[in-house]
Amino acid sequence: EAQVTQNPRYLITVTGKKLTVTCSQNMNHEYMSWYRQDPGLGLRQIYYSMNVEVTDKGDVPEGYKVSRKEKRNFPLILESPSPNQTSLYFCASSLALAGGIDTQYFGPGTRLTVL
Amino acid sequence: AQKITQTQPGMFVQEKEAVTLDCTYDTSDQSYGLFWYKQPSSGEMIFLIYQGSYDEQNATEGRYSLNFQKARKSANLVISASQLGDSAMYFCAMREKGGYNKLIFGAGTRLAVHP
Repeated sequence: EAQVTQNPRYLITVTGKKLTVTCSQNMNHEYMSWYRQDPGLGLRQIYYSMNVEVTDKGDVPEGYKVSRKEKRNFPLILESPSPNQTSLYFCASSLALAGGIDTQYFGPGTRLTVL
Repeated sequence: AQKITQTQPGMFVQEKEAVTLDCTYDTSDQSYGLFWYKQPSSGEMIFLIYQGSYDEQNATEGRYSLNFQKARKSANLVISASQLGDSAMYFCAMREKGGYNKLIFGAGTRLAVHP
């Protein structure tokens, strides 16, 4: 079954404690990205990756890091989380040069609370 | 700058009736794609329908149809014969040509279907 998985699904942590949210896809997609969802703002892109070792900033990259050492995995790293990073996070993957109805496959989401 | 506007924070509809969720967009590109996603209370993002900017006919998928008015830059979602399971948050999103499948999302509309 084609899918994007994220772990953990729920996380409560404290300010400054480094954390990693994992993302993995089994569709051999080149393109992966991270979004955060906040009330009244919809989803906003944090980082994206075109392929292995190729990453770039999205619209709200501050406070986040990513890596793409393998095609299937795209972890999101918060080295020093702050309360304003409390949000619902989605990982997504797709073909690199999407066209037409090619859409993104979204993971189930990770709800992060930073106290 | 690319932008998606959803002016209805919340809507309600009676079961079995039709409802229209509004979406307007702003782009200077001639080639783009418009998407609608559904987010139930469980949190996952479910792709509903897609409209390409060069598509001459309005997209339809079962009970979902997209009322695409290119000159007005609007892409409203119409849900016919609403069901209780349609209660969810609905997001309109846009992908521009060359945007590597990056999606720009609106703030969303929360739909409540009443029996």
